[in-house]
Amino acid sequence: QKEVEQDPGPLSVPEGAIVSLNCTYSNSAFQYFMWYRQYSRKGPELLMYTYSSGNKEDGRFTAQVDKSSKYISLFIRDSQPSDSATYLCAMKETGGFKTIFGAGTRLFVKA
Amino acid sequence: GAVVSQHPSRVICKSGTSVKIECRSLDFQATTMFWYRQFPKQSLMLMATSNEGSKATYEQGVEKDKFLINHASLTLSTLTVTSAHPEDSSFYICSAPAGDSNQPQHFGDGTRLSIL
Repeated sequence: QKEVEQDPGPLSVPEGAIVSLNCTYSNSAFQYFMWYRQYSRKGPELLMYTYSSGNKEDGRFTAQVDKSSKYISLFIRDSQPSDSATYLCAMKETGGFKTIFGAGTRLFVKA
Repeated sequence: GAVVSQHPSRVICKSGTSVKIECRSLDFQATTMFWYRQFPKQSLMLMATSNEGSKATYEQGVEKDKFLINHASLTLSTLTVTSAHPEDSSFYICSAPAGDSNQPQHFGDGTRLSIL
């Protein structure tokens, strides 16, 4: 079993839809949770960074962490074609540099 | 925000050539940097952890003599692919945390390496 599970998709939605991206994990020591967006042939770009459980909102993006269920989500409201990319979840333990990444979900937002 | 610059963005060279890729933290110091390899439509595969002033730590299965890492300063790490062959063709990406170990990693824009 992988430490982090993420459905690779692809996920195709119409413009304006609410997108829900999810990851599950098995290591209860994970405390820091990240979401990255990666466009084709580019490096990943940090979108959201949260500590422990709870919600965090930034513009059209909302990150949720449920540590009791070992489940994290990223919601994108009013999705745009420019949101079409691969979204990677990532997480790590306190005091450690090493970050574990999910496989990435490919998202297509159709105009 | 924290910026990581990676150079070159694209390299095409003949088999047997050694290729050096640079990773710089532009607005912060990084005692630790990471090198990843990514195959098409796959996630990031950690190759090694680059440590300023000491030897790099390589992941299992990564040849340290093939992928030489040097972290000579707090803002620069280099990855040299020695005697590259077509199977080394890939997308190489570096990253660095902007601060202590609890900070997230920031990534460079990657280097697409093609060995003919």
